[in-house]
Formats: sequence, structure tokens, C-alpha cells
Amino acid sequence: NAGVTQTPKFRILKIGQSMTLQCTQDMNHNYMYWYRQDPGMGLKLIYYSVGAGITDKGEVPNGYNVSRSTTEDFPLRLELAAPSQTSVYFCASSAGAGSSPLHFGNGTRLTVT
Amino acid sequence: EDQVTQSPEALRLQEGESSSLNCSYTVSGLRGLFWYRQDPGKGPEFLFTLYSAGEEKEKERLKATLTKKESFLHITAPKPEDSATYLCAVQVNAGKSTFGDGTTLTVKP
Repeated sequence: NAGVTQTPKFRILKIGQSMTLQCTQDMNHNYMYWYRQDPGMGLKLIYYSVGAGITDKGEVPNGYNVSRSTTEDFPLRLELAAPSQTSVYFCASSAGAGSSPLHFGNGTRLTVT
Repeated sequence: EDQVTQSPEALRLQEGESSSLNCSYTVSGLRGLFWYRQDPGKGPEFLFTLYSAGEEKEKERLKATLTKKESFLHITAPKPEDSATYLCAVQVNAGKSTFGDGTTLTVKP
């Protein structure tokens, strides 16, 4: 099992450009999440999904969009990139809401200049 | 608002020198408290889940405990390979977790 796979690993964007961060999981988990982690800080929830076709905002959703058309995939879209979006982005999945641990990918390191 | 505070921010130990990391939390309706380990350039890796006050979990040199207000991660006789950032998170509903800022542990040989 690959677990949670994120692509790309690194990306540099210019201000105003757009991009999609890809995330796929092979554990048949219903719940998926996007977090961002700034240097020396914990993880902040951007968006999450409790199943295909259902998404909801987390703590820091501004400037991002998501979709969930399949159980496996949960892409994160950045529109009009800004320097404040420079961060490391982690995708995670879990088996359910009943106190299930999160399984993380290895992150995408994004720099906006 | 749910809050998770970890201390200290950084901890440097000599190999074999035992210590504890603290995670204090303020939440309504705790469903679980989680400890994760994060190595540089990697995603967090799950260590433990604690559900209720008084519960303890152990894995090798690590032991996690939980009270109504805080959790401790005790590290006994640490080795250099235990060096990492340890993250604490609380889960309240819909599987959403709130994370602390982490404690970066460095164990010197």
C-alpha cells in the first residue's frame, strides 16, 4: 500500500499564478483533509471532506478551493497565488470520525515569489 | 475555541536522559487526543490515541498519559533516533483535529 501520495513535492509559483496540488489515497478512507504548516508552527486545517461529493471549510480556507469527485482523490486548488501561501501543504486521510488517527502524505513545499 | 499548547518548544537531551513533553488543551467534547512524530521533510506519523483521563499507552521508549486538562509524552532513556518533532492534536468532531505547534526534541549521543 502506498498510503497517501502527494504531488508535486516542490513547486515555485509567481504571484498571481494558479496551481493544483494533487492528493490520492489507497486505503479506502472516507475522510480526507488538507493542512498547511508554516515554519515552527503546527498544522492548520484548510479544507476537509467526509466523502465523495462533500467538502467543508476548515480554519484557513481563503485563497483555496477543493473538490472530491472520488473516494481516492482530493485535489487542492490555489487561485491567484500570494506570498502568504508559501508553506508546506499536507494531505491526510482517516477511516472515520470516531477518533481515527490521520495518515499523512509527505507534503508539497510551495514557494510563492 | 479549541486550543492546544505544547511545551517546551525545543528540548535537548543527552542520550539516556529521560524527560517529558507536555500538551495542554482546552476543548469541548474531546473525542481523542493524538500524538504524532514528524521527521524533517516528512509528514506526521501516528504514535498514540488517548480517549479518557487516566489512560496510558506505551511504545518502546515512549509512554503517553492523559488527564482532563493535559497529556504528557514521557521519553525514557532516549536515543539519537528519537530526535524529531512531536505533535499533539485533539479531535472533537467530524474527524477534524486541532494541532499544537510541536516540541522539537534533539537527543545528543
